[in-house]
Amino acid sequence: AIQLTQSPSSLSASVGDRVTITCRASQDMSDALAWYQQRPGKPPKVLIYDASRLQSGVPSRFIGSGYGTYFTLTISSLQPEDFATYSCQQFKAYPLSFGGGTKVDIK
Amino acid sequence: EVQLVASGGGLVQPGESLRLSCAASGLSFSDHYMDWVRQAPGKGLEWVGRIRNRANRYTTEYAASVEGRFIISRDDSQNSLFLQMDSLKTEDTALYYCGRVRCDTPFSCSGYFDFWGQGTLVTVSS
Repeated sequence: AIQLTQSPSSLSASVGDRVTITCRASQDMSDALAWYQQRPGKPPKVLIYDASRLQSGVPSRFIGSGYGTYFTLTISSLQPEDFATYSCQQFKAYPLSFGGGTKVDIK
Repeated sequence: EVQLVASGGGLVQPGESLRLSCAASGLSFSDHYMDWVRQAPGKGLEWVGRIRNRANRYTTEYAASVEGRFIISRDDSQNSLFLQMDSLKTEDTALYYCGRVRCDTPFSCSGYFDFWGQGTLVTVSS
């Protein structure tokens, strides 16, 4: 099974900051990775798929990159509505798996 | 309104069964794979299983932790997805989400989720 390790598990940042979250895979996944945002009490919402493709309707400040075993999600300028938990998900192989999540809160 | 509405959760004792439902409205259902994903209180997301579409013979995949105890089914005529959960354990306690997998055509499906339901809470406790 493919294990996904996210870092950091949490971070504090201010509005306007550039934030980067990392997702490392235990084996090569090519670009079969998605990123989700989850606000408290809400279901996840896809931001990025195929490692770097922006889901329709998602602001361009969300940037995904990476290939193989190393992936990043960057928020170029943090907005108040971006304070949430972010998770990566691999769909290269079954069982599908998620990273442990990164909680982004206000500094 | 576009929505996936999960229902059927509740409090059960270890060893008991429960059946969850997920009703789709306002969005394409039958051509898509559908999954269940769960989230234990204060924890991350955990994939439970998948049912493919008719074009792929409704085949299923399951996480090892539920294989043999959970069964996923669907009724495309009712735009509904189901999760039959038997021999429930305390570690099955979680909020259960249904998720639609992106499929550009019935034969071309990705593996990520483009729509999610609100979730239904399952608590397994004596």
